[in-house]
Amino acid sequence: LAKTTQPISMDSYEGQEVNITCSHNNIATNDYITWYQQFPSQGPRFIIQGYKTKVTNEVASLFIPADRKSSTLSLPRVSLSDTAVYYCLVGDPMDTGRRALTFGSGTRLQVQP
Amino acid sequence: EPEVTQTPSHQVTQMGQEVILRCVPISNHLYFYWYRQILGQKVEFLVSFYNNEISEKSEIFDDQFSVERPDGSNFTLKIRSTKLEDSAMYFCASSPGDDGETQYFGPGTRLLVL
Repeated sequence: LAKTTQPISMDSYEGQEVNITCSHNNIATNDYITWYQQFPSQGPRFIIQGYKTKVTNEVASLFIPADRKSSTLSLPRVSLSDTAVYYCLVGDPMDTGRRALTFGSGTRLQVQP
Repeated sequence: EPEVTQTPSHQVTQMGQEVILRCVPISNHLYFYWYRQILGQKVEFLVSFYNNEISEKSEIFDDQFSVERPDGSNFTLKIRSTKLEDSAMYFCASSPGDDGETQYFGPGTRLLVL
């Protein structure tokens, strides 16, 4: 079973770079690693996805080492509106040969002015 | 922009009753999912569905749960004989493919079992 670990919470100030790491042992070998953002009482919202190395889009970067046992979401210059919970989502190989999907425990990011 | 919709937004039921949560996935998506989030906890995978059958399910998704795509647009989660611990937010999601492609989540249904 894949086990994911994320810091419970992080604090930052506006304009700073924030890096959130998710550790995920034994994930499905062919799956992407995906990060989601969730605001209270809303569904998770896609941020970024990668398979290995580095991926960058207009809102974030994602760093994945070669062993794929972790991934780091980087938010370049956070604003107050980035206050949310951030989850990694990975494929969890099952004994059946298929795989389930496992969200990390989530990191609550609080951005201060 | 197309989006996943869910109804109802809130549902209150008595313990032991059956509930059906409804979802309309994005129209050209092929894979559909249900997740659960108990208040204050992380999002938990329940089941994925493709080509009119379950493709994967978690340990949570026992015989109490079932899913169905009754027509070309709706995707439903049925919970039989609800228990107090079934109280949670239930999210539907859909994606174009299944190799970890981006999933689009609905706004959720908040279920309260009394």
